[in-house]
Amino acid sequence: DQQVKQNSPSLSVQEGRISILNCDYTNSMFDYFLWYKKYPAEGPTFLISISSIKDKNEDGRFTVFLNKSAKHLSLHIVPSQPGDSAVYFCAARDDSGNTPLVFGKGTRLSVIA
Amino acid sequence: KAGVTQTPRYLIKTRGQQVTLSCSPISGHRSVSWYQQTPGQGLQFLFEYFSETQRNKGNFPGRFSGRQFSNSRSEMNVSTLELGDSALYLCASSSLFRQGNEQFFGPGTRLTVL
Repeated sequence: DQQVKQNSPSLSVQEGRISILNCDYTNSMFDYFLWYKKYPAEGPTFLISISSIKDKNEDGRFTVFLNKSAKHLSLHIVPSQPGDSAVYFCAARDDSGNTPLVFGKGTRLSVIA
Repeated sequence: KAGVTQTPRYLIKTRGQQVTLSCSPISGHRSVSWYQQTPGQGLQFLFEYFSETQRNKGNFPGRFSGRQFSNSRSEMNVSTLELGDSALYLCASSSLFRQGNEQFFGPGTRLTVL
């Protein structure tokens, strides 16, 4: 049973345009969500997070939106740059602080110059 | 501050052998988690250690085990290796006292089982 789903395995976007990566979750106990970026031959690096008490969090070109009622979050990258080409993982955890992060399977973003 | 380090970076083993992977967390971090990444499966949680105690365990067979030492360094062991164990094994550390407990990952150990 996959609790965090990233239904798009890959996404191609033109440089300068917006990239939108989507993530759905099923566990209503999740209340903290994170996005990680992973380049080949490297470990994932933390990108941005959002708590369930917010519906939006912004950090430079990266914005994460959370729709709790739909159990859906999205990561927007504006403008997209070739260096953003990587695999993006969505992750979630519940509010107990005692359970591990649950990751989606990732979306491979390709930004085309 | 040095990041999470994992050794070795690459490993080739044959079926039936066992392997031990090592992880040194960021200085001051006492929580270490291990994940297995295979193509198309994302990051599958193996286990988490905090202060030498296993706090959580994922849904993996008993061939997968781990431990944490008093200096927070952690090792994971896989016995009786199978072809399906070929994967990237990632270690992550966190302080557990930062909001959201963001985890910081090492570069991983690429294990190939022949």
